[in-house]
Amino acid sequence: AQSVAQPEDQVNVAEGNPLTVKCTYSVSGNPYLFWYVQYPNRGLQFLLKYITGDNLVKGSYGFEAEFNKSQTSFHLKKPSALVSDSALYFCAVRDLNAGNNRKLIWGLGTSLAVNP
Amino acid sequence: SQTIHQWPATLVQPVGSPLSLECTVEGTSNPNLYWYRQAAGRGLQLLFYSVGIGQISSEVPQNLSASRPQDRQFILSSKKLLLSDSGFYLCAWSVLVDRGSSPLHFGNGTRLTVT
Repeated sequence: AQSVAQPEDQVNVAEGNPLTVKCTYSVSGNPYLFWYVQYPNRGLQFLLKYITGDNLVKGSYGFEAEFNKSQTSFHLKKPSALVSDSALYFCAVRDLNAGNNRKLIWGLGTSLAVNP
Repeated sequence: SQTIHQWPATLVQPVGSPLSLECTVEGTSNPNLYWYRQAAGRGLQLLFYSVGIGQISSEVPQNLSASRPQDRQFILSSKKLLLSDSGFYLCAWSVLVDRGSSPLHFGNGTRLTVT
């Protein structure tokens, strides 16, 4: 079955430290992978995606993510966290072998708190 | 550039009352349109999606319905709200013609409280 796991409900980091938000997935075919961020009482904003090519993908606001096929992971990273990065982060995957490729499979989200 | 508008931002409705939430997209044509519900600030549940005018697919049988009367207009409705309909409703769009590589673009959501 297709699934996305974000194993940490909450991640706490100090401002200026590197941050990682974890995501693992399970699909039968090749995945399209996405990261979104949600600030309080707002809609989700697209951060970055992996479609094909380089395993390291760079996105908005200094975020990047590394696709690891053998570990079926797509962890979100940032070298130096800002207090303004505090938000809810969602990982999502599309299975290209699935009949309905319009449907994204979503993780449950990870709340990131960056402490000053 | 493309923009998506959702209204109202907040809504408090009594049980048994009707509901109409509206979403419009500007700056693009023939988008895929989606309605999601987010409960308790976390998981996203796809409610409906549409690939064209009058074409609605329902993901979860429930008390809600959706309509797409115009290319860039998507409406979420209910005839009689239930307490369990409370939540944060998000409209989104994506490019229609792609193999699924296009990201979703979300509106700012409507927080619905059914009392």
